[in-house]
Amino acid sequence: EIVLTQSPVTLSSSPGERATLSCRASQSVSNYLAWYQQKPGQAPRLLIYDASHRPTGIPARFSGSGSGTDFTLTISSLEPEDSAVYYCQQRSKWPSITFGQGTRLEIK
Amino acid sequence: QVQLQESGPGLVKPSETLSLTCAVSHSSITSAHFWGWIRQPPGKGLEWIGNINHSGSTYYNPSLESRVTMSIDTSKNQFSLKLSSVTAADTAVYYCARDFGDYGLPLGVFDPWGQGTLVTVSS
Repeated sequence: EIVLTQSPVTLSSSPGERATLSCRASQSVSNYLAWYQQKPGQAPRLLIYDASHRPTGIPARFSGSGSGTDFTLTISSLEPEDSAVYYCQQRSKWPSITFGQGTRLEIK
Repeated sequence: QVQLQESGPGLVKPSETLSLTCAVSHSSITSAHFWGWIRQPPGKGLEWIGNINHSGSTYYNPSLESRVTMSIDTSKNQFSLKLSSVTAADTAVYYCARDFGDYGLPLGVFDPWGQGTLVTVSS
């Protein structure tokens, strides 16, 4: 099973700042890496798929990069509503899909 | 905009079978998409359970495969999950979701999701 390790566990930032969230895979997942946002009491929402592709409707301040084992989700200018838990997910070893443990982003 | 809604018992006894249904609206379940189940134990991370398409083709998480059965009812535009021999470790919020791939093959990426339903396993 591919293990995804996210860092930091918790990130506290201010509105307007740039946030960088990391996801490291225990083995290469090529570019088969997605990011989700989950706000309290809500279902996850897809932000990025295949490492860097943004679905329609996702704001441009969210961007993804990386390949192989190291990936980054960047939020260029934080908004108060970006406070959430962010999960990465790999689909490289289908049908063995795994998620990271999450990074909690707090907006001060 | 496609919407998904989970339903089913909120309490299941240990060793019994958990059964949930996901009703899909504003989209046909016979589209080229696969449909999936994902769960989240309270305060913990996400675990994919499986995918199904309109033909009944299924893919299951290898760690749960021996206990999982998914089915689809195209006449009702809904799909279902059965998880047998449950224990307290199966207590979780269960989400249904649409697989993002639309070429008749699963992409293993999910959007959108239903709101989720909490299932507690307890006697």
